[in-house]
Amino acid sequence: DTEVTQTPKHLVMGMTNKKSLKCEQHMGHRAMYWYKQKAKKPPELMFVYSYEKLSINESVPSRFSPECPNSSLLNLHLHALQPEDSALYLCASGIGTSGRGGYTQYFGPGTRLTVL
Amino acid sequence: AQTVTQSQPEMSVQEAETVTLSCTYDTSESDYYLFWYKQPPSRQMILVIRQEAYKQQNATENRFSVNFQKAAKSFSLKISDSQLGDAAMYFCAFGASGTYKYIFGTGTRLKVLA
Repeated sequence: DTEVTQTPKHLVMGMTNKKSLKCEQHMGHRAMYWYKQKAKKPPELMFVYSYEKLSINESVPSRFSPECPNSSLLNLHLHALQPEDSALYLCASGIGTSGRGGYTQYFGPGTRLTVL
Repeated sequence: AQTVTQSQPEMSVQEAETVTLSCTYDTSESDYYLFWYKQPPSRQMILVIRQEAYKQQNATENRFSVNFQKAAKSFSLKISDSQLGDAAMYFCAFGASGTYKYIFGTGTRLKVLA
């Protein structure tokens, strides 16, 4: 089972709103990722959590705030976003070790975010 | 720094035919992984196939196989007996062992013609 779930599927928000994206996996993976993807482009890494600690922040603006409450759950809190933040937000999880499977990432279906 | 190049922005293939998508990469790492992901219009990134650099044998998953040429730093994906459901954007990705970050290529859009 390589399922990563994301909610909601679609989100429309105003620039003054606060919203959250949720990602969940039950594969025992210890690495979890947030990506931003614009149309016809590859995903761009935003954050990586390893063993529930923030491991990588790719200089993402503070209006995006990640949270990893436990090993199965990853949130992305959104506040005061700009229209250019409209994109597909993908979550991924991975084993996160140098063992068999290496750092293979398994992606969720994404949340389509529109900022008005 | 690592780079991944997909030189074919778009490819077309007739249903039931075979198509090869190209990917080249550049790295000074000796231990790494290479991946092909498929992203259909439904938008979920699906892992198609994975290749460990230390393995000489080319990876195969049903109708999908790779031609991994380590010295040439080439990692092409062959899709046999193409099906309408294979239509998608295909991304090649590089991951150095011991790091979490992937380097993605720019993608190849595959169209399957009935």
